[in-house]
Amino acid sequence: ETGVTQSPTHLIKTRGQQVTLRCSSQSGHNTVSWYQQALGQGPQFIFQYYREEENGRGNFPPRFSGLQFPNYSSELNVNALELDDSALYLCASSFDRGLSTEAFFGQGTRLTVV
Amino acid sequence: DQQVKQNSPSLSVQEGRISILNCDYTNSMFDYFLWYKKYPAEGPTFLISISSIKDKNEDGRFTVFLNKSAKHLSLHIVPSQPGDSAVYFCAAYNTDKLIFGTGTRLQVFP
Repeated sequence: ETGVTQSPTHLIKTRGQQVTLRCSSQSGHNTVSWYQQALGQGPQFIFQYYREEENGRGNFPPRFSGLQFPNYSSELNVNALELDDSALYLCASSFDRGLSTEAFFGQGTRLTVV
Repeated sequence: DQQVKQNSPSLSVQEGRISILNCDYTNSMFDYFLWYKKYPAEGPTFLISISSIKDKNEDGRFTVFLNKSAKHLSLHIVPSQPGDSAVYFCAAYNTDKLIFGTGTRLQVFP
């Protein structure tokens, strides 16, 4: 059991709206990474949070932002949604910025922007 | 720029035979590679990894081979089973993040 849970599992939003996705990390893990998987593509790194601070960011605009809480759960916020934001959003938890390498993924949130 | 490439989007193999999934990378600084398996409606699950100091790592039916000079790695599954049918992602570990390929859909038929 990975113990990483994401909510909601599916979401439909309208272009221009804002969305918040949530991730509960596995017990004992202090690092959460977020990935976007567009249809037919591999997951793309959005950013990583380690002990409540951003620790690395991929090639995503500032309207993608995040938070990590003291219990190491995390949120991904996307403002001004665009149609191309439609994707599966995955969160992965690991210990100490993923130096253990084997990050555990949640089941993902499928976001559809119409 | 796709730094990790999986050029075969799909592969179909008969049960009991060997499945070989391939992956190429462009950055010679990558020093750790992983394979993930993904079923529909689930997140990727770690399968096997290999460090650049090795050229082979084996775990049960799964073996990963690394050819650093060719910047190529492959995953061998022997014998293939119907439950292995999934999408397989190759990934390189680079400064706290994973860089994934586009995946190969493996179908194992009876």
